Amino acid sequence: SYELTQPPSVSVSPGQTARITCSGDALPKKYAYWYQQKSGQAPVLVIYEDSKRPSGIPERFSGSSSGTMATLTISGAQVEDEADYYCYSTDSSANHKVFGGGTKLTVL
Amino acid sequence: EVQLVESGGGLVQPGGSLRLSCAASGFTVSSSYMSWVRQAPGKGLEWVSVIYSGGNTYYADSVKGRFTISRDNSKNTLYLQMNSLRPEDTAVYYCTRDNKEYSYGSDYWGQGTLVTVSS
Repeated sequence: SYELTQPPSVSVSPGQTARITCSGDALPKKYAYWYQQKSGQAPVLVIYEDSKRPSGIPERFSGSSSGTMATLTISGAQVEDEADYYCYSTDSSANHKVFGGGTKLTVL
Repeated sequence: EVQLVESGGGLVQPGGSLRLSCAASGFTVSSSYMSWVRQAPGKGLEWVSVIYSGGNTYYADSVKGRFTISRDNSKNTLYLQMNSLRPEDTAVYYCTRDNKEYSYGSDYWGQGTLVTVSS
């Protein structure tokens, strides 16, 4: 079955740039999405179609994708950005979806 | 205002069945792509199933043949029928709306309902 691979954790100081990667064989042909999940809350969509932000998502969140790797970048990370981040995409058929294992972002 | 409210979770024995419901308001379920996503305690998100507006359905390999996604257009409600439940199905189950405007990213999530499979 198709898998997306993320690092388990990333740590930055407030104001620094955080980068979270996601690798998958189908990413050259399929969009990556990113979700933020804070403790005890439902996930929130922060990036879709590799690099687009839904309305209401701060500009410090950006996304990119190149080859088999997608990247979520948080420029000037804030303490409130501390959360688990999940990448999401589909397999080559587009009918089976998959989440990455999640990355815990620590900002302190 | 868009809202998704799940119900139907609870404690069930291995091999048992449960039906989850997701009551939607503020949009039409039958015109939308809708998904179920679950999260085992302390673990990551796992996609479970999707139903497209045209009615096609797809499942994760881990639940295929045991779970059935469906909708009741008259009640504007999404369902997940879960049979032959296993301890590894224990999780919080979320229903989501997958918005065409966001290339079918899930822009609304319910609060989740906990399913515990244990003897």
